[in-house]
Amino acid sequence: NAGVTQTPKFQVLKTGQSMTLQCAQDMNHNSMYWYRQDPGMGLRLIYYSASEGTTDKGEVPNGYNVSRLNKREFSLRLESAAPSQTSVYFCASSGAGPTLAKNIQYFGAGTRLSVL
Amino acid sequence: AQKITQTQPGMFVQEKEAVTLDCTYDTSDPSYGLFWYKQPSSGEMIFLIYQGSYDQQNATEGRYSLNFQKARKSANLVISASQLGDSAMYFCAMRRANAGGTSYGKLTFGQGTILTVHP
Repeated sequence: NAGVTQTPKFQVLKTGQSMTLQCAQDMNHNSMYWYRQDPGMGLRLIYYSASEGTTDKGEVPNGYNVSRLNKREFSLRLESAAPSQTSVYFCASSGAGPTLAKNIQYFGAGTRLSVL
Repeated sequence: AQKITQTQPGMFVQEKEAVTLDCTYDTSDPSYGLFWYKQPSSGEMIFLIYQGSYDQQNATEGRYSLNFQKARKSANLVISASQLGDSAMYFCAMRRANAGGTSYGKLTFGQGTILTVHP
């Protein structure tokens, strides 16, 4: 029962390098999300995908791109990494039931990214 | 805009005692949901409990209960009979909903409270 799987778990980049964070869910959820967690600031939404084929910006989208590859997979790309993107990144997914109680977000284990 | 405020950066509790973690929120939406997540030192985010804005009763899930006071815009988490494994960071979060009660999906998080349970 994997739930939400993120890869890699850890990554170190040099300024200007690019990378893609992968996320896959096996719960048949429609919606997927990318958050970043910085010390003292809680989690902030980067991008989300309400359903397959759609993506929208969240609170802090600058410097990131996303791809909803299919219903299961939602990737986050850093085209030119900057030290300010050093953070822990979380992917989450949720269903799309008629009530909020059906739409609990379930999180992956996170990716710890350092940009030097 | 929505905002979640957790005013307690850290809390300490003795094992087997109850503890309340504070959460206040600000929204102009008539319909919304409130969530609590636990983040242990291993880093994963674990869903604990949910409260809908129109729910008549406070939510409970095992040792977790949510003290929901709508007029005061507060949604405090109460953990009864604390255990050493409860030591973690706890986040309060909010999600807006449209008039039909379905969710736009995006969670707004507070800054978190670190709970330490002493033996």
